[in-house]
Amino acid sequence: DSGVTQTPKHLITATGQRVTLRCSPRSGDLSVYWYQQSLDQGLQFLIQYYNGEERAKGNILERFSAQQFPDLHSELNLSSLELGDSALYFCASSPQTGGYNEQFFGPGTRLTVL
Amino acid sequence: AQTVTQSQPEMSVQEAETVTLSCTYDTSENNYYLFWYKQPPSRQMILVIRQEAYKQQNATENRFSVNFQKAAKSFSLKISDSQLGDTAMYFCAFMKPPSSQGTYKYIFGTGTRLKVLA
Repeated sequence: DSGVTQTPKHLITATGQRVTLRCSPRSGDLSVYWYQQSLDQGLQFLIQYYNGEERAKGNILERFSAQQFPDLHSELNLSSLELGDSALYFCASSPQTGGYNEQFFGPGTRLTVL
Repeated sequence: AQTVTQSQPEMSVQEAETVTLSCTYDTSENNYYLFWYKQPPSRQMILVIRQEAYKQQNATENRFSVNFQKAAKSFSLKISDSQLGDTAMYFCAFMKPPSSQGTYKYIFGTGTRLKVLA
């Protein structure tokens, strides 16, 4: 158990819908990272927040957005969902930002878009 | 743009034997970090080992070691005395702190599926 929690574990929804994935980092960690893992594209970095502020952006679609709240939990919002958005979404956290810090990964949220 | 390539989609090794997973990357940066993460069937991503690019000495963690060749942009993972519990997907990852014109970069390879055979 990494100490990072993600809810829900599984999510099944329809195309065109909007969902929110939630992540609680390890106690004391200020950085939160979001990744998408799909079958044919490996692990893709989406976005990083550090102490409430966006710190880095990867291959995140405009239909996706995220935020980190004052209590440091983070939410990833996915809207106008498409079949191709079906994937495992990971949240990770680290004490500081980027670089050499080990990222501790949550168990992931499995999103299925029908 | 930075890329990470893992050219071996699948590998297998006999228990107690040694196996090497390859990873190459492409970057023009001088300051960066390299990681190997393990993803067992449980899907939990776990850090195996990490290396700072400015350090010439190869990192070692118990049965896991790396062969870091900076000039060749190669970062292979050697697993000695393979155990059944090493069966997992292994991801090589490149992480770069921001430069004057850039931001953080977190790039993962597509993974190598390793199966340890009894």
